[in-house]
Amino acid sequence: AQSVAQPEDQVNVAEGNPLTVKCTYSVSGNPYLFWYVQYPNRGLQFLLKYITGDNLVKGSYGFEAEFNKSQTSFHLKKPSALVSDSALYFCAVRDGDSSYKLIFGSGTRLLVRP
Amino acid sequence: EAGVAQSPRYKIIEKRQSVAFWCNPISGHATLYWYQQILGQGPKLLIQFQNNGVVDDSQLPKDRFSAERLKGVDSTLKIQPAKLEDSAVYLCASSTSPRGAQETQYFGPGTRLLVL
Repeated sequence: AQSVAQPEDQVNVAEGNPLTVKCTYSVSGNPYLFWYVQYPNRGLQFLLKYITGDNLVKGSYGFEAEFNKSQTSFHLKKPSALVSDSALYFCAVRDGDSSYKLIFGSGTRLLVRP
Repeated sequence: EAGVAQSPRYKIIEKRQSVAFWCNPISGHATLYWYQQILGQGPKLLIQFQNNGVVDDSQLPKDRFSAERLKGVDSTLKIQPAKLEDSAVYLCASSTSPRGAQETQYFGPGTRLLVL
């Protein structure tokens, strides 16, 4: 069965500093990986995805994520955090070989201090 | 391009009452999903439609939840009767197809349900 783990409930970072939000996954086939962001009282907004190809994926709002097959990780990164990046971030995985279901992690709250 | 529309945005009901949520997907998206997001958790798939047919409803509590997408466009999710544990945000999402490698699901703003 596929699963996603986001080990940190909250990540705190100062504005201008780099940020990392961690995600690890488990699937039996080829992983399709996604990051979404959720602002208060809003739905999930798509940030980026990894399907195949280059391990470094660039997405919206300056975010990027690195796919690491050996570590089964797909960490979200940004070189310089903004206060407006403060939100709830969800990692999700789909087993590309056997399932169409998108399984979400429990979310990580990012707090960027001015 | 208009996004996924949902209504109402908020709903407060008492337990044992019924409630319905509406979703209109992005134009041209054949696949529609309903998710339940309980506070502090990630979204959990309740049901998936491909056009007007059900692809997966394995996690839908069918004794109280029902959903339909009669004309293959907009959809309604109903809860009858509601329980306290149904308090959650109900998210609707749509995508162009369920199995394409490039599939991205696009979400609506959600309906926040509080059952008292």
